[in-house]
This record gives sequence, structure tokens and C-alpha cells, in this order.
Amino acid sequence: EADIYQTPRYLVIGTGKKITLECSQTMGHDKMYWYQQDPGMELHLIHYSYGVNSTEKGDLSSESTVSRIRTEHFPLTLESARPSHTSQYLCASSPLGQGAREQYFGPGTRLTVT
Amino acid sequence: KNQVEQSPQSLIILEGKNCTLQCNYTVSPFSNLRWYKQDTGRGPVSLTIMTFSENTKSNGRYTATLDADTKQSSLHITASQLSDSASYICVVSDRGSTLGRLYFGRGTQLTVWP
Repeated sequence: EADIYQTPRYLVIGTGKKITLECSQTMGHDKMYWYQQDPGMELHLIHYSYGVNSTEKGDLSSESTVSRIRTEHFPLTLESARPSHTSQYLCASSPLGQGAREQYFGPGTRLTVT
Repeated sequence: KNQVEQSPQSLIILEGKNCTLQCNYTVSPFSNLRWYKQDTGRGPVSLTIMTFSENTKSNGRYTATLDADTKQSSLHITASQLSDSASYICVVSDRGSTLGRLYFGRGTQLTVWP
């Protein structure tokens, strides 16, 4: 089983609140990712990082921000949550390098904004 | 446009029966194709990864096939168990960037009945 952790697992919060979703991995992977997934839909990449101090936006526009101060930690922040942010957020990591590198996923955070 | 299409969208089978899930893709240039299993409320877990030169790969009761010429893949599950109930996601990676961009299908929701 992959050593990648996400907290909280479930979060219900009111509109306008600031939230941070935590993601940590103990595998020493350089690459980390955040995906957004709605029920029955495909995963959409919203942020990724190649390593410390590297962050990039993914394909799906997101009002969230990320930081990568430590290799093992890749938190995602929403400054002002809105109901449209309600979704499942999945964090993943993979080792750096060419070829078929496995992405390991965390268990996800189910966010509901009321 | 790079896409991954899966069929059927959902499938119900009886325990002990076999089933085959389909994946068609248009991703180019192709790097590798992955099948993931995602239990409800959890992150995806890798079942197989196949590169261009591989046309069959097995993982226990799961056997994936790849036809890179027709851009089709299938996942065959043998002697299904109740624990096989999950969403099965086909993911294709391209060679067009150092990120190894992943394209996700929407998944096939498999339900195994006793």
C-alpha cells in the first residue's frame, strides 16, 4: 500500500471559509499532484510539482493554491470556499524520471461547501 | 484531441463470473496505458501498466491487453469476487512532455452481486 496520506478525509464547511487540505508522502517522491474528481467523472489535474519550490497549474482551472516547501508535503489551500468547490480532491505522487512511472494516490478528501 | 473512452459505463455481474472492460484512446504520442481500481471514497490503486511493446499483462485475476495499432485496451476479470466491486479507470500517458501527462477515462462502475 502506498505511503501517501491526506487529511482531513471529509470536510463540511461554510461558504467564505479558508481551508487547507493536507497531503504527505513518505516515499521521497519528487513529483506530486492534486486532482479534482466529481462523482462518475474523470480525474482532472489542478496542480502539480516537480520538487521543492516548484508548483504549476494543471489542466483544470482552479481557485486553489498549492505550496511545496518540503519534498514530502504538498498542501492545497482555498482562501474562500464556495459551493462550486464541493468535490473530491485526490493527491498523488510519483518518482522523477523517464518511462512509465507509477502514480500513487492518497485516499482523497471529500469536501462539501454549504 | 487526446481522449480516453471507456465502456460500458456500468456493469453488474454475479459473483464467480468473468467480465471484460473496454478502453479506447486517441492519445498521441503514446507512452503507456494503466488500469486503476478505485473503491468508493478511496484513491485509485494501480492494477497494471503497459508500454507500447507489451500486449498482455496479468495481475492475479486481472489481465489487461493492449493493441497499440487500434488504440484499444481491455481489462479481463476472472472469477469475480464481491471485493471487485469498484470503478475501473483506464489512464493513458503521452510522451509529449516531461510531466508524462495522464489522460483519464471516466471509469466503468462494476458491481458484483452474490
